[in-house]
Amino acid sequence: DQQVKQNSPSLSVQEGRISILNCDYTNSMFDYFLWYKKYPAEGPTFLISISSIKDKNEDGRFTVFLNKSAKHLSLHIVPSQPGDSAVYFCAASEWGAGNMLTFGGGTRLMVKP
Amino acid sequence: NAGVTQTPKFQVLKTGQSMTLQCAQDMNHEYMSWYRQDPGMGLRLIHYSVGAGITDQGEVPNGYNVSRSTTEDFPLRLLSAAPSQTSVYFCASSFSTGGNYGYTFGSGTRLTVV
Repeated sequence: DQQVKQNSPSLSVQEGRISILNCDYTNSMFDYFLWYKKYPAEGPTFLISISSIKDKNEDGRFTVFLNKSAKHLSLHIVPSQPGDSAVYFCAASEWGAGNMLTFGGGTRLMVKP
Repeated sequence: NAGVTQTPKFQVLKTGQSMTLQCAQDMNHEYMSWYRQDPGMGLRLIHYSVGAGITDQGEVPNGYNVSRSTTEDFPLRLLSAAPSQTSVYFCASSFSTGGNYGYTFGSGTRLTVV
């Protein structure tokens, strides 16, 4: 059973609007969460992360929100740009687990001009 | 700074053949790992290493071997390729400081087993 789930395989958004990508997890031992962005034929690249001691982390146009009680996190991109079109992976790790990441299945974001 | 380098980028194997996927990093990271990416499954951990001489199994280790003789290199060996191993393979290296992890992925190896 997948411990990290991204229930929306795809999302289409108009340029300039907000993109919201969601992620749910089941393992209560996860305490560090990351978002990666992946373009075709490239490896995933780190976007933003959040520790379980926080409920929000912001970096430019990207904000990650963490709701520990609901075991849910979301990535907000504002404003969305066509260059943001990619597959976004949510990942989680457990303290002391040797930096091992558990990934969600990914959400393909398409930002239309 | 090259980061994480994977070779080859593409490979076609026949069922039963063996091969080694190469991975090298030049960032002096302690941790290295191998993931495979399959449609709808995200990235799944195959094997990982917390330092030279130390390796362990991840979520999907069957059919793969690894070794870590140096900090820089972490090759992945397919012992007897099967069509189920058709996938895109990513190597990653990472560090940990103060509870924050920094992961760098290679550009991937697309493997097809026929």
